[in-house]
Amino acid sequence: AQKITQTQPGMFVQEKEAVTLDCTYDTSDQSYGLFWYKQPSSGEMIFLIYQGSYDEQNATEGRYSLNFQKARKSANLVISASQLGDSAMYFCAILGGTGNQFYFGTGTSLTVIP
Amino acid sequence: DSGVTQTPKHLITATGQRVTLRCSPRSGDLSVYWYQQSLDQGLQFLIQYYNGEERAKGNILERFSAQQFPDLHSELNLSSLELGDSALYFCASSEGGRRGNSPLHFGNGTRLTVT
Repeated sequence: AQKITQTQPGMFVQEKEAVTLDCTYDTSDQSYGLFWYKQPSSGEMIFLIYQGSYDEQNATEGRYSLNFQKARKSANLVISASQLGDSAMYFCAILGGTGNQFYFGTGTSLTVIP
Repeated sequence: DSGVTQTPKHLITATGQRVTLRCSPRSGDLSVYWYQQSLDQGLQFLIQYYNGEERAKGNILERFSAQQFPDLHSELNLSSLELGDSALYFCASSEGGRRGNSPLHFGNGTRLTVT
């Protein structure tokens, strides 16, 4: 079974600063994928970034990077140069290796302060 | 635009009624997932289909059922509706391959209000 834990229900960051959103996971699979999604107040779910369990490099997508520490089972999302439009809920998810099942954390609400 | 289409966007109905939510996956995606998101809640996995076959079941109530048709679109049926069923229902699709690197692409959701 897979499990995702996001321990920060709410975070605040000053505009233009960087912020780290925490995510830890638990899995018995050797091969798995880790994903981050953004849900703005309008409700849609937006895919941000992916990290494979065998990827040696941390994933980056524009201002988003994933700080992957496999031994610690953590996959933290780093947003650099925060913008007001980054204010949203952020969900971490894990994809199991065999069943193609996605498990989501409870999310972190990020507020960017001008 | 994720390429996943959900209809209707909004649905208001009374307790005890039955509704059907529809989803067309992204072109080429074989796997369809349904999630329920209640107010201030995370995403509760309901059910997953792959190429027409049920692959996994989550916290889906017996009053709820789903299917995936040969053209890969999917329907989620909710019956004997209760006030607590009011939520945002998401459909998502993925390639469903075994490489484990296919992200879920979400539709915009159907907001169900039961009065």
